[in-house]
Amino acid sequence: AQSVTQPDIHITVSEGASLELRCNYSYGATPYLFWYVQSPGQGLQLLLKYFSGDTLVQGIKGFEAEFKRSQSSFNLRKPSVHWSDAAEYFCAVGRNFNKFYFGSGTKLNVKP
Amino acid sequence: DAGVIQSPRHEVTEMGQEVTLRCKPISGHNSLFWYRQTMMRGLELLIYFNNNVPIDDSGMPEDRFSAKMPNASFSTLKIQPSEPRDSAVYFCASLPGQGGGYGYTFGSGTRLTVV
Repeated sequence: AQSVTQPDIHITVSEGASLELRCNYSYGATPYLFWYVQSPGQGLQLLLKYFSGDTLVQGIKGFEAEFKRSQSSFNLRKPSVHWSDAAEYFCAVGRNFNKFYFGSGTKLNVKP
Repeated sequence: DAGVIQSPRHEVTEMGQEVTLRCKPISGHNSLFWYRQTMMRGLELLIYFNNNVPIDDSGMPEDRFSAKMPNASFSTLKIQPSEPRDSAVYFCASLPGQGGGYGYTFGSGTRLTVV
């Protein structure tokens, strides 16, 4: 069965520190992989996506993610976090136009 | 492009009343998805359409929920009768063609409160 696991419910980092949010998935084939960000009261915005090619993908707002097939992971990273990055982050997997499976989300808090 | 447009942004209704949520997908996107988000259950896919045809409605919680897509530019999600446990944020998302690799574009959501 398809599933997405985000093991960290909450993460707090200091402004300027590096960030890594974890995502592991279970899927029958190599899926398309996504990270979304949701600010309070807002919809989900696509940060980045992977569906083939280079396993390190760059996204908006200085985020990047690396697909590791052997670990079934797609972790999100940012070298230096800004206070405006405080939000909830969702990992999602899917294929073609079928339904995507979302993780339960990781809430990021940024300390000044 | 105005993105995916949902209305209303907020809806407060009394238990037993009918509620209709509306969505206008991005022009040219031919897949549309309705999601529900709650603290307890996270994001749940309710139903999705491709070329205005419902493809999978297995996530619709019960018969009180129904969704339609009469044309490529409009979809509704109806709850009748509404119950307090339906309180949630309902998102609509659209996708171009069979381009799953593009990722969904989400609307801003409708926050539904049933009292």
